[in-house]
Amino acid sequence: GENVEQHPSTLSVQEGDSAVIKCTYSDSASNYFPWYKQELGKRPQLIIDIRSNVGEKKDQRIAVTLNKTAKHFSLHITETQPEDSAVYFCAGHPWVATSGTYKYIFGTGTRLKVLA
Amino acid sequence: DAGITQSPRYKITETGRQVTLMCHQTWSHSYMFWYRQDLGHGLRLIYYSAAADITDKGEVPDGYVVSRSKTENFPLTLESATRSQTSVYFCASSESRGDTEAFFGQGTRLTVV
Repeated sequence: GENVEQHPSTLSVQEGDSAVIKCTYSDSASNYFPWYKQELGKRPQLIIDIRSNVGEKKDQRIAVTLNKTAKHFSLHITETQPEDSAVYFCAGHPWVATSGTYKYIFGTGTRLKVLA
Repeated sequence: DAGITQSPRYKITETGRQVTLMCHQTWSHSYMFWYRQDLGHGLRLIYYSAAADITDKGEVPDGYVVSRSKTENFPLTLESATRSQTSVYFCASSESRGDTEAFFGQGTRLTVV
């Protein structure tokens, strides 16, 4: 079945530095690759996503890159700020042929700490 | 109000009791999902539903039951609660086909004593 692996589990960076989080997936038919941010005590919220016909997408200080050949996609945060401290999740979207539905499964999360 | 809401926000129950967590969305999204969040395990999919009367198992379905008689509601029932089911539960919904943004409820913190 579909597996989504996320690394690293924790990441500490100095304010102003960049942070990179990587996810790998196993279902070659996956075509949608989102990233979610969860602040302490809050619900996860989408911050950026990319579809398989695009290699890179950028939104201000965050970007997502996709390598379909290697089956991995990465979240890049530049010029990190203390408010970027949160848990970040990638997600996979495998098609379930037996039921004709999509699952929506998440990586195990990366706790990012931005040190002032 | 439009959106996705969960109730209750907090629940304490005893081992062996049945408990139902409610989820309601006002967008008419086709897909709905239930996740549990435990430290070190991220968000694990319990059950999901692609439409009314269509449900399927996720990664950790044992001990849980779902139903979806109406598009807007997706209740999760713990038939006989165990301490290992102590967790934060999130409901989410997404539009047709499911490969779009998922919108999460505010979560239910369940403690089984």
